[in-house]
Amino acid sequence: DAKTTQPNSMESNEEEPVHLPCNHSTISGTDYIHWYRQLPSQGPEYVIHGLTSNVNNRMASLAIAEDRKSSTLILHRATLRDAAVYYCILISIIQGAQKLVFGQGTRLTINP
Amino acid sequence: NAGVTQTPKFRILKIGQSMTLQCTQDMNHNYMYWYRQDPGMGLKLIYYSVGAGITDKGEVPNGYNVSRSTTEDFPLRLELAAPSQTSVYFCATQRSGGKETQYFGPGTRLLVL
Repeated sequence: DAKTTQPNSMESNEEEPVHLPCNHSTISGTDYIHWYRQLPSQGPEYVIHGLTSNVNNRMASLAIAEDRKSSTLILHRATLRDAAVYYCILISIIQGAQKLVFGQGTRLTINP
Repeated sequence: NAGVTQTPKFRILKIGQSMTLQCTQDMNHNYMYWYRQDPGMGLKLIYYSVGAGITDKGEVPNGYNVSRSTTEDFPLRLELAAPSQTSVYFCATQRSGGKETQYFGPGTRLLVL
């Protein structure tokens, strides 16, 4: 299974941008890069995903390196509600079903 | 719409007891998944189903069983509970396969003593 490497923790201030890095040097050409986050005592929730091009949605932006061996999740203006564990995941498809391989993620702390 | 519902929220089991964790979805999604999350760790896939009547093993299936008789329900059965099964269990659904988003339930916290 393709693996991802993320920093264990990061800290930022409210209303400032946050850049969460992820290394995935063993990514294959057909792997999608997904980001999920998990707020305290909740199930994970989808944030964003991409294949090769940078992606934007209402929650965040995803910047993917040209060689696809790394990516960065960007929260443009962090709020206290963005404090969570962020998981960078490479999607492996088995018989059509996704097999999400979660690492330990990055615990993001937002300071008021 | 309730989305993905899991019951119970919390349960304490004695070693050797059995129980069923319930997962129900009202999104008409074909794919359903069961994960466990140990303290401070990421999620690990236990079982999954690509449709009613079809189930398959994930990364850590030992000690668990599942069934999928309807699109809506995907119960997870623990037989002979062991302390190693103390964890938080999450059910997730997905409309179809591939790169579609998974939607997670709120989880069931299980403590085996």
